Amino acid sequence: GIQVEQSPPDLILQEGANSTLRCNFSDSVNNLQWFHQNPWGQLINLFYIPSGTKQNGRLSATTVATERYSLLYISSSQTTDSGVYFCAVVSSGDKLTFGTGTRLAVRP
Amino acid sequence: GAGVSQSPSNKVTEKGKDVELRCDPISGHTALYWYRQSLGQGLEFLIYFQGNSAPDKSGLPSDRFSAERTGGSVSTLTIQRTQQEDSAVYLCASSWLAGGYEQYFGPGTRLTVT
Repeated sequence: GIQVEQSPPDLILQEGANSTLRCNFSDSVNNLQWFHQNPWGQLINLFYIPSGTKQNGRLSATTVATERYSLLYISSSQTTDSGVYFCAVVSSGDKLTFGTGTRLAVRP
Repeated sequence: GAGVSQSPSNKVTEKGKDVELRCDPISGHTALYWYRQSLGQGLEFLIYFQGNSAPDKSGLPSDRFSAERTGGSVSTLTIQRTQQEDSAVYLCASSWLAGGYEQYFGPGTRLTVT
């Protein structure tokens, strides 16, 4: 099946800093989603982005499907951005295959 | 509108007992998915429904696990004769259709088997 790798596994930022999270996948995809898992375990939808670029406030994402990667940009980070960020893809079939996540801690 | 809801939010059960977990999808969503998140295995797919049919059950870890969906809406995931390795957070998601549409997740049910 498809492999999804995320980097870095852990990231510590000072409040106000910018960061880039990466997701590499091993096959073509029909769906790519970025999620933020908050401290209560809820998966929050950030982007549905099988290709192209999207922006939502301080967050933006780019997926280059032909090169099999996606990037999530966080600008002017805030303590509320802390948590785990997951990339997940649908390749063949309909199920999401998740990466192992990037654990982000933003220090005040 | 309302999001995906799951009940109970927490369940503690003794080894060997049966448990039922419930998921209410977003109204109008025809596809419903079950995943689980455990420390050792990350987030993994269990089963999905398109309407009341389950085209892909490939992620169910054993025949102790089963799921059904009725009326194209509510789904229940049943675990029989629970084992300690079944302890995990069970997440439900729904989407407008299967086949790569955006999936939205519920808050999960934390299952602890003692």
